[in-house]
Amino acid sequence: DQQVKQNSPSLSVQEGRISILNCDYTNSMFDYFLWYKKYPAEGPTFLISISSIKDKNEDGRFTVFLNKSAKHLSLHIVPSQPGDSAVYFCAARETDSWGKFQFGAGTQVVVTP
Amino acid sequence: GEEVAQTPKHLVRGEGQKAKLYCAPIKGHSYVFWYQQVLKNEFKFLISFQNENVFDETGMPKERFSAKCLPNSPCSLEIQATKLEDSAVYFCASSQIREQYFGPGTRLTVT
Repeated sequence: DQQVKQNSPSLSVQEGRISILNCDYTNSMFDYFLWYKKYPAEGPTFLISISSIKDKNEDGRFTVFLNKSAKHLSLHIVPSQPGDSAVYFCAARETDSWGKFQFGAGTQVVVTP
Repeated sequence: GEEVAQTPKHLVRGEGQKAKLYCAPIKGHSYVFWYQQVLKNEFKFLISFQNENVFDETGMPKERFSAKCLPNSPCSLEIQATKLEDSAVYFCASSQIREQYFGPGTRLTVT
């Protein structure tokens, strides 16, 4: 049973524009969420996180929004750069289940010139 | 070290053979996690350690999989009698507070 879903397997965006990646979850016990970026043949790299007590967290070009009532989070990348081309994974963790993250299937982002 | 190290990078085993994977967490990190990624799909949590103690092993197929984190040694994940379905990339991650830092993975191919 997949509790974290990334329904868009791929996204193509022009350099300089905004990339919006979406993630939905079904488990209301999730209280901490992360986004990872992954290049081929490398491990995922932590990008940004958000706790369920917040609805927004910003770090440079990356902003994560959390809508708890809709069980939805999104990652905005502004402006998109060629180096952002990678697979992005959304991950979530239950309260009292520290360290055991559930991952989505990933979204492949391609930033075109 | 400042990065999670995993060895070997690639491992090929015949069905039924044993496979052993190693992970050296970032120095100072108390928590180690193992994940399995099959065919570029989502990561499946296997097991986590707090220092040398098992923290959460709810994802482990216990019949053939085992893992250890002993003091002053790399952590290890061992698969006895590998099956074709064990072919995957196995990622190790370490953590001290919240965010997990991943190693580059070990690609296991079972033939």
